[in-house]
Amino acid sequence: SQQGEEDPQALSIQEGENATMNCSYKTSINNLQWYRQNSGRGLVHLILIRSNEREKHSGRLRVTLDTSKKSSSLLITASRAADTASYFCATVPNTGGGNKLTFGTGTQLKVEL
Amino acid sequence: GAGVSQTPSNKVTEKGKYVELRCDPISGHTALYWYRQSLGQGPEFLIYFQGTGAADDSGLPNDRFFAVRPEGSVSTLKIQRTERGDSAVYLCASSPLGTEQTEAFFGQGTRLTVV
Repeated sequence: SQQGEEDPQALSIQEGENATMNCSYKTSINNLQWYRQNSGRGLVHLILIRSNEREKHSGRLRVTLDTSKKSSSLLITASRAADTASYFCATVPNTGGGNKLTFGTGTQLKVEL
Repeated sequence: GAGVSQTPSNKVTEKGKYVELRCDPISGHTALYWYRQSLGQGPEFLIYFQGTGAADDSGLPNDRFFAVRPEGSVSTLKIQRTERGDSAVYLCASSPLGTEQTEAFFGQGTRLTVV
């Protein structure tokens, strides 16, 4: 089953603009991760934020986590056409079950030239 | 090998047939995961191995699905009496340890089509 929703389902922006995607989840988590997927095949890990962290940066990526609202956001700054992909948040439960990921429904990002 | 390898990349089979999907994880990774992704959805967890044993198989949809990892490296996902609803991309991932605080490395997936 899916953990929660991502918002928006689809996002179309111009190159150079910022893209913000939101993720909501339902249960207590150990950490939340963001993945990118091109063409419906392999996923690539982008960033991991722990439940005791509120914000994390990696290059042009900024992730926030609000455990009280059970939500996270991914900001991609100065977007490029190559950022066009689907983006998924995934949570890891706080139950000692390894790195078992529960994914959201994803946001399809299109960056146009 | 540099990454997680899955074979075949595409598989078309007839309803009712048996299929095997193979995953070769990154060398040295003790944890291995199988996920299934239907069109327009996020991946859904199927099963997790820590070493040779299935630590969590709660995501397997029914007893037609079975997975093994006999030597703690390569894993095979087996589907008996395939149904059209089994059509999806099957993704395998591995991570160095079975702890929560690590990223997962995904293969390119096997696209299974049941006709």
